[in-house]
Amino acid sequence: GENVEQHPSTLSVQEGDSAVIKCTYSDSASNYFPWYKQELGKGPQLIIDIRSNVGEKKDQRIAVTLNKTAKHFSLHITETQPEDSAVYFCAASYPGGGADGLTFGKGTHLIIQP
Amino acid sequence: DSGVTQTPKHLITATGQRVTLRCSPRSGDLSVYWYQQSLDQGLQFLIQYYNGEERAKGNILERFSAQQFPDLHSELNLSSLELGDSALYFCASSVQGQTWETQYFGPGTRLLVL
Repeated sequence: GENVEQHPSTLSVQEGDSAVIKCTYSDSASNYFPWYKQELGKGPQLIIDIRSNVGEKKDQRIAVTLNKTAKHFSLHITETQPEDSAVYFCAASYPGGGADGLTFGKGTHLIIQP
Repeated sequence: DSGVTQTPKHLITATGQRVTLRCSPRSGDLSVYWYQQSLDQGLQFLIQYYNGEERAKGNILERFSAQQFPDLHSELNLSSLELGDSALYFCASSVQGQTWETQYFGPGTRLLVL
């Protein structure tokens, strides 16, 4: 099955600076890579996703890049704001093998310092 | 608000008991997924249903079972509960249940087994 590694586990940045979270995956057949934001007491909320036929995707201050050769993908948040503080999860979707759910990384606790 | 609803929000029960968690998918979504989130295991895929039929199975214990009803709501049944089953249980839904589709998560049910 798929295995997703996520780094760092905690990231503290100054408000206005950029934040980068990195993930690697193990199965080259994975074809869908979403990023979720989870605030305390809430369910994960999709913030951006990328499919394997695309190398980069941007949505306002958030961007995701995918390197299929190296099997890694990254989340970039620019001009960070206090409301960006949350836990962020990367995930990969493994097509087949009897388990078609998402495989998640362990999460990154992003702290925005005022 | 993702459009996925889950009840109850909180559940406190004793070891050995049985509980049922309920999920209603977003309007128009045919597929439902169940995930367990714990501090040590992170977010783990349990099981997926599509239009009433089981489609994929992940790390679901034999003591756990689920079903999806004709109106597309789903229930996750947890029996012979153990202390280690204490966790957040999330339901997610997607349109057709394909691996490349966006999954929308509900707010979760927090289960505490005493």
